[in-house]
Amino acid sequence: DQQVKQNSPSLSVQEGRISILNCDYTNSMFDYFLWYKKYPAEGPTFLISISSIKDKNEDGRFTVFLNKSAKHLSLHIVPSQPGDSAVYFCAASADSSNTGKLIFGQGTTLQVKP
Amino acid sequence: GAGVSQSPRYKVAKRGQDVALRCDPISGHVSLFWYQQALGQGPEFLTYFQNEAQLDKSGLPSDRFFAERPEGSVSTLKIQRTQQEDSAVYLCASSLLDREETQYFGPGTRLLVL
Repeated sequence: DQQVKQNSPSLSVQEGRISILNCDYTNSMFDYFLWYKKYPAEGPTFLISISSIKDKNEDGRFTVFLNKSAKHLSLHIVPSQPGDSAVYFCAASADSSNTGKLIFGQGTTLQVKP
Repeated sequence: GAGVSQSPRYKVAKRGQDVALRCDPISGHVSLFWYQQALGQGPEFLTYFQNEAQLDKSGLPSDRFFAERPEGSVSTLKIQRTQQEDSAVYLCASSLLDREETQYFGPGTRLLVL
């Protein structure tokens, strides 16, 4: 069963506008959430994370929001730039795993048009 | 200041052949993870090492998959008697010990089994 879901396979936005990528999870034991970005033929690159004790974390143009009651998180990119075009993965981990292993969603391909 | 490196970058194997995939983590990183990424999917956890100890191998899909990290640095993922369903990108990631430390990914090895 898919514990982390990204229901939108793709998203297209205009340069300068906001990009909103969404992620849902089912496992209530998840307490740490991350977003990774991936370009073709490269490994995923860490973008931003959030602990379950927070509901928002901001880093420059990137903000992650966590709604624990809805088991939902989102990544906001403002303003979007053409270089942001990539596949974005949401990931989660549970303290109970004792390893830090990440459970990933299927990914959302973001295209930012100039 | 090198990142995580993996070799080979591409591997074509005939069904039934054994393959070995290498990962060189970031120097000093205690934790090492292997993930498998099928086409169009997010990475899926395979196994975890803390130094030379393999603490979690719950994600290995069958006993044909074997991983080692004998000196707590370089790791090798071996797949015996490869099958077509083993075709995927194999990603290695390393991090400092703490669970919330960023996992840094290598570029992956793309395995194609014919």
